[in-house]
Amino acid sequence: GAVVSQHPSWVICKSGTSVKIECRSLDFQATTMFWYRQFPKQSLMLMATSNEGSKATYEQGVEKDKFLINHASLTLSTLTVTSAHPEDSSFYICSARVPNQPGQGGRRSNQPQHFGDGTRLSIL
Amino acid sequence: AQSVTQPDIHITVSEGASLELRCNYSYGATPYLFWYVQSPGQGLQLLLKYFSGDTLVQGIKGFEAEFKRSQSSFNLRKPSVHWSDAAEYFCAVAAGNDYKLSFGAGTTVTVRA
Repeated sequence: GAVVSQHPSWVICKSGTSVKIECRSLDFQATTMFWYRQFPKQSLMLMATSNEGSKATYEQGVEKDKFLINHASLTLSTLTVTSAHPEDSSFYICSARVPNQPGQGGRRSNQPQHFGDGTRLSIL
Repeated sequence: AQSVTQPDIHITVSEGASLELRCNYSYGATPYLFWYVQSPGQGLQLLLKYFSGDTLVQGIKGFEAEFKRSQSSFNLRKPSVHWSDAAEYFCAVAAGNDYKLSFGAGTTVTVRA
């Protein structure tokens, strides 16, 4: 269980175009999804937290207008890289967290994040 | 703010030998700790997690990790590595009500025949 699907896995496009990446939770509903960026040989950097039905929360230094996040349903979040340029080339990974189980109430969730397989974005 | 340190950037180990990857965390309260593995060009797979209880945690693929509060560590171990264990390993800590993960820099494991 707890499968996260990310699409596309690889995309190459021209500079100036916009690219949309989808992140789906296949067998659970995810009220919260996360978007990360990973440079070669480096760790994951959190870009934003995506909450279903509300605006995403962006980390410091991440351009909201460059990286548009939409979490329209409990199983889908999208990241759109607008007017992409070569410096936006990177590996983008999403994750989703299984929500608190019944009875947990407002306590901090002990459910781990489950990750998609990532999207390799290359801007020419 | 929470943080994670993985002191070893790269470890080479012979197939069949034991493996230990170090992880130190910084967090003021009880941490939620994780180890993830990433193969080249792939996403992250959860190996194991620690929330509370028994400090020795068993995971998938024969991995285990031990939480030591006094040392702020959560080291990952495997008694006998296989060639398929060659990958990048990330230690992470979750903190706060929004459950954000902070990752270490990662340790690359190379397995030699």
